[in-house]
Amino acid sequence: AQSVTQPDIHITVSEGASLELRCNYSYGATPYLFWYVQSPGQGLQLLLKYFSGDTLVQGIKGFEAEFKRSQSSFNLRKPSVHWSDAAEYFCAVASTGGGNKLTFGTGTQLKVEL
Amino acid sequence: DAGVTQSPTHLIKTRGQQVTLRCSPKSGHDTVSWYQQALGQGPQFIFQYYEEEERQRGNFPDRFSGHQFPNYSSELNVNALLLGDSALYLCASSFGPGGETQYFGPGTRLLVL
Repeated sequence: AQSVTQPDIHITVSEGASLELRCNYSYGATPYLFWYVQSPGQGLQLLLKYFSGDTLVQGIKGFEAEFKRSQSSFNLRKPSVHWSDAAEYFCAVASTGGGNKLTFGTGTQLKVEL
Repeated sequence: DAGVTQSPTHLIKTRGQQVTLRCSPKSGHDTVSWYQQALGQGPQFIFQYYEEEERQRGNFPDRFSGHQFPNYSSELNVNALLLGDSALYLCASSFGPGGETQYFGPGTRLLVL
């Protein structure tokens, strides 16, 4: 069964600092990988996705993520964090064998200090 | 281009009652998936509807049921509510059951007292 681990429950960074959120997945083949962001009381907004090809993918709001097959990781990065980036971030995996059920990690809560 | 919409936004029920939540998919999408997000947790897949049939189901009891209408909108029904059913219920839509990307609605916050 597929699974996702986000080892950091909470992360605090200063505005303008760089950010990396970790995500490790378990899946038998190359999965579809996603990062979503959730602001308080809101639904999920898609930041970026990886299906195949270039392992460095660019998303919205200046975010990027790198797929590393050897480490089963898909870490999210941003070179300079803005106060408005404070939110909860979810990594998710979907199977590629038909059906697009998403399996989510438990999320990382990002706090940005001014 | 209308995104995924859900109604109601908030709901309060008591134990044992039944509830119906509604979802309209993003324009052009024909597949609807439902997720439950308990406080402090990631969303958990409940089930998916395509062509008015349940296509996939997660590890949820039969108290959770659904329906999809010819216009692709969907309902989630939960019977015999338990306190543990309190959660944010998210609807996501995609083009086809294998559609690569799901887009989420704002959710319905259900509180069971």
